[in-house]
Amino acid sequence: AQKITQTQPGMFVQEKEAVTLDCTYDTSDQSYGLFWYKQPSSGEMIFLIYQGSYDEQNATEGRYSLNFQKARKSANLVISASQLGDSAMYFCAMREVYNQGGKLIFGQGTELSVKP
Amino acid sequence: NAGVTQTPKFRVLKTGQSMTLLCAQDMNHEYMYWYRQDPGMGLRLIHYSVGEGTTAKGEVPDGYNVSRLKKQNFLLGLESAAPSQTSVYFCASSWDGTGGYEQYFGPGTRLTVT
Repeated sequence: AQKITQTQPGMFVQEKEAVTLDCTYDTSDQSYGLFWYKQPSSGEMIFLIYQGSYDEQNATEGRYSLNFQKARKSANLVISASQLGDSAMYFCAMREVYNQGGKLIFGQGTELSVKP
Repeated sequence: NAGVTQTPKFRVLKTGQSMTLLCAQDMNHEYMYWYRQDPGMGLRLIHYSVGEGTTAKGEVPDGYNVSRLKKQNFLLGLESAAPSQTSVYFCASSWDGTGGYEQYFGPGTRLTVT
């Protein structure tokens, strides 16, 4: 069964430094996609970045990059030059391409706190 | 362009009462989803729909029913609320269920059952 594991319940980072949020996944499918979402204290879910299982290059979106290591089944989110506004919960999620409905399976989340 | 909206934002119910949560999207998305979020457990899928008139069960469907009579609306019903259904409920929609199409989320509904 597909599963997402985020082993860091909470993380602290100094403003302007880089931080890596860990995500490992388990699936028997060859075709899948990995997503990261941000949830600030206001509660909304904000899409950050996507990586497909067949993408050869790591995805990047501005200050966000996804360190995709397929053999290790890991999809870590790297935030460069942290800002105070990056303080939030971060969720890793996976979609198996051929599962009906495009369902997302979410990890438990990591709470990131950026210190000034 | 409002995206995904949810009504109501907050609700308190007594055990055994019923209610319906409304989700509306104006992006002409085919796929719609209902999730619940509990502390320390991330989001779990309750029900989903791949098009108007279709619904299917997700990971935690017991105690909930859904309907998608119009493409833009997805309703989540609680027939007899229980304290275990105290949670934050999120609706989401997507163009497609494959590839990199992300799900767009509504602002959430905070439900307390006493």
